[in-house]
Amino acid sequence: DIQMTQSPSSLSASVGERVTITCRASETVNHYLNWYQQKVGKAPKLLVYAASSLQSGVPSRFVGSGSGTQFTLTITSLLPEDFATYYCQETYTTPPGTFGQGTKLEIK
Amino acid sequence: QLQLQESGPGLVKPSETLSLTCFVSGVSIRSDTYYWGWIRQPPGKGLEWIGNIYYSGKNYYNPSLKSRVTISVDTSKKQVSLKLNSVTVADTAVYYCVRGFYFDTSGLYPLSAFDVWGQGTMVTVSS
Repeated sequence: DIQMTQSPSSLSASVGERVTITCRASETVNHYLNWYQQKVGKAPKLLVYAASSLQSGVPSRFVGSGSGTQFTLTITSLLPEDFATYYCQETYTTPPGTFGQGTKLEIK
Repeated sequence: QLQLQESGPGLVKPSETLSLTCFVSGVSIRSDTYYWGWIRQPPGKGLEWIGNIYYSGKNYYNPSLKSRVTISVDTSKKQVSLKLNSVTVADTAVYYCVRGFYFDTSGLYPLSAFDVWGQGTMVTVSS
């Protein structure tokens, strides 16, 4: 089974900063990688699919990149509403489903 | 507007069966451009995929839960159902109903993501 590992598990940052979250797959998932944002007490929300495609309505400060086994989600300039937990998910395997363990982004 | 609404008992006793339903509104429940799934999240922990059901009627389940889980669709009621039997305290979680949307089917594998989520329903397993 493919394992998805995110780093860091948590990070603190300030409004306006640029932050990058990494997701590594134990074997290639090509570009079949999605990113989700989850705020406290809410359901997750799809941000990026296919590694770099922005879901409709998601602000352009969220940038996904990568292919193969290494992926990143960058928030180019943090806003207060961006503090949340972020999950990656591979959909290369059949069936799609495996999530990373999450990265909690907190206010510094 | 597509909405997913989970419902079911908030408390289940150990060894019993957890049964949840997800009412789908705003879109046809049967389409080959998407599929349905369930995901759960234990308190304070990450997301765990439970399983999916596809337009073809085929199911795929998380291997760790496969022996205990059944996902089905009732087209007439516009509902997706989850049954998890022989539950233990480890099954305590928020359970989410999700839609898996196919963004691109032209490649070697279809490219999809869970684009719509229900609000989630908390299920506690306790005697």
